[in-house]
Amino acid sequence: EAAVTQSPRNKVTVTGGNVTLSCRQTNSHNYMYWYRQDTGHGLRLIHYSYGAGNLQIGDVPDGYKATRTTQEDFFLLLELASPSQTSLYFCASSDGTGGALEQYFGPGTRLTVL
Amino acid sequence: GDSVTQTEGLVTLTEGLPVMLNCTYQTIYSNPFLFWYVQHLNESPRLLLKSFTDNKRTEHQGFHATLHKSSSSFHLQKSSAQLSDSALYYCALSDLPYNQGKLIFGQGTKLSIKP
Repeated sequence: EAAVTQSPRNKVTVTGGNVTLSCRQTNSHNYMYWYRQDTGHGLRLIHYSYGAGNLQIGDVPDGYKATRTTQEDFFLLLELASPSQTSLYFCASSDGTGGALEQYFGPGTRLTVL
Repeated sequence: GDSVTQTEGLVTLTEGLPVMLNCTYQTIYSNPFLFWYVQHLNESPRLLLKSFTDNKRTEHQGFHATLHKSSSSFHLQKSSAQLSDSALYYCALSDLPYNQGKLIFGQGTKLSIKP
């Protein structure tokens, strides 16, 4: 089973604060993803990447930056956090072989912006 | 664009009754992969079922689904609900050449099983 870890698991910041969420996968998957999950909205894709140095824009990218520094590591950056970004954030990875794109999710980071 | 539509909102069932959660999809790609993910309370989503083959039943952990390309459907079923089936269920679509690595998720269906 693929291993995806996230840190921190919980984060509280203030409006205007600077936050970095980290994700690491140890299975050499090509694709990595950042989602947010909010009641009533399901899983929404923020950004994703298909390799080190690559970044693709997702469906709800406003207010977020991301960077894929290595095959294993994918970071989500909130440079001026707002209360609307209070959410549960999931990172996921996928091999993408054969087009299956089966995704493995990390444990999530709960972010609160006061 | 591509989309996935699921049974809306909350489905409440009594333990022992059959479960059916609907999923239909739209895509221009003729060979999509379809997935069901399950998310229990305070956990992350995990894969429950996946299918690529038309009209072939896929089973896992008591759940089953059949991809029907003629009706663009991939409904999730179980013959007898258990209390432990209470969770949030997502249907998802993958059509790699067109969506460049994205999974298209439905909005999710919350299943609540009562004793």
